[in-house]
Amino acid sequence: EAGVAQSPRYKIIEKRQSVAFWCNPISGHATLYWYQQILGQGPKLLIQFQNNGVVDDSQLPKDRFSAERLKGVDSTLKIQPAKLEDSAVYLCASSLTAPNTEAFFGQGTRLTVV
Amino acid sequence: LAKTTQPISMDSYEGQEVNITCSHNNIATNDYITWYQQFPSQGPRFIIQGYKTKVTNEVASLFIPADRKSSTLSLPRVSLSDTAVYYCLVGDMRSSGSARQLTFGSGTQLTVLP
Repeated sequence: EAGVAQSPRYKIIEKRQSVAFWCNPISGHATLYWYQQILGQGPKLLIQFQNNGVVDDSQLPKDRFSAERLKGVDSTLKIQPAKLEDSAVYLCASSLTAPNTEAFFGQGTRLTVV
Repeated sequence: LAKTTQPISMDSYEGQEVNITCSHNNIATNDYITWYQQFPSQGPRFIIQGYKTKVTNEVASLFIPADRKSSTLSLPRVSLSDTAVYYCLVGDMRSSGSARQLTFGSGTQLTVLP
């Protein structure tokens, strides 16, 4: 079975520029997560979708971050404008809605803001 | 959400059994304990999940005492390739995907030495 696909794998931008990340979850997975992982720290949840609805975006910096999940499948995460402290790996994960099912993670997008 | 506490790092030698303990004093009745493994430049990967007593799969065992305020991940006969960060998560996995939360702590860096 294909895993969670993310692109790009790496991105370098200047501060105040915009950037977008794309995620294609495992087919049939209704739950989708975006995490931010700063070097040396555990992943921090930014937003969680159930199909195309937002379940939790309490830790998403909404003044600069936005996310959408088109037709309950693919998702994009955007940062506009980027700050130096946004340098991190952005991880996408997906899971089935059934109880006790695991989440599968993509390899992430490493963002460097200079 | 139940807060988890793990050692920051652990060292072991090849062939030894490694036990990583996680404290979760305010675990709720419906909470399950889940462990993830993360290699550098990869997303976390599910290892094992349990509710009480002992769970074993092909890669690890999970020991949970009766009070469920802690849990121990046991890796038998580790190899160099088990060097990774291990995360303990506590959450209600019996709920549907929309209510399920995956909150990561700082994790434990396990280094396996030759």
